[in-house]
Amino acid sequence: EAGVVQSPRYKIIEKKQPVAFWCNPISGHNTLYWYRQNLGQGPELLIRYENEEAVDDSQLPKDRFSAERLKGVDSTLKIQPAELGDSAVYLCASSFRTGSYNEQFFGPGTRLTVL
Amino acid sequence: AQSVTQLDSQVPVFEEAPVELRCNYSSSVSVYLFWYVQYPNQGLQLLLKYLSGSTLVKGINGFEAEFNKSQTSFHLRKPSVHISDTAEYFCAVSVSTPDLTTDSWGKLQFGAGTQVVVTP
Repeated sequence: EAGVVQSPRYKIIEKKQPVAFWCNPISGHNTLYWYRQNLGQGPELLIRYENEEAVDDSQLPKDRFSAERLKGVDSTLKIQPAELGDSAVYLCASSFRTGSYNEQFFGPGTRLTVL
Repeated sequence: AQSVTQLDSQVPVFEEAPVELRCNYSSSVSVYLFWYVQYPNQGLQLLLKYLSGSTLVKGINGFEAEFNKSQTSFHLRKPSVHISDTAEYFCAVSVSTPDLTTDSWGKLQFGAGTQVVVTP
């Protein structure tokens, strides 16, 4: 079974430029998460989708970040315009929601460097 | 709200020696507890989890952890490490009963991580 796929793996851009990250979750997983991991820190949740609905986006900086999950499968996270502080690894995870616990499976991440 | 504190940012250890990574958490409600491992340039992989039942949890690659409710701790141990155990380790917590007002179900709160460096 294929895992969570993310692309690109690495991205270098200049500040004020736009950037987009793509995530393909594990087949059949209805819940999708985007995390940001700053250097030397643990991941922090940006947004969670249940199917195509964003149910928790309280940590998403909405002035410059946007996300979508069309048809409840793939997802795209966008930053426009990027700032120096956005340099981080962006992780996507997916799970199948059943009962009170579900295991999240993580992709390899996209490492963003903003110059 | 929940929080996780990993008491060591880096733990150097010799090959075949034991290692313990410390994790303390804070929560006003019941929680699930997790340890994840992150190898260089890779995503996170679940090592083990505590949901309920026995407080001693065994995971993959010979790791185990013990849940101590009175001390709000969930320390990770391995009796004999290998070079391949060099990685970043993250402790995480999630609520076991979701808050229906915020729908916090499944939300993982991670610690800052502990870098384990195994040398020959």
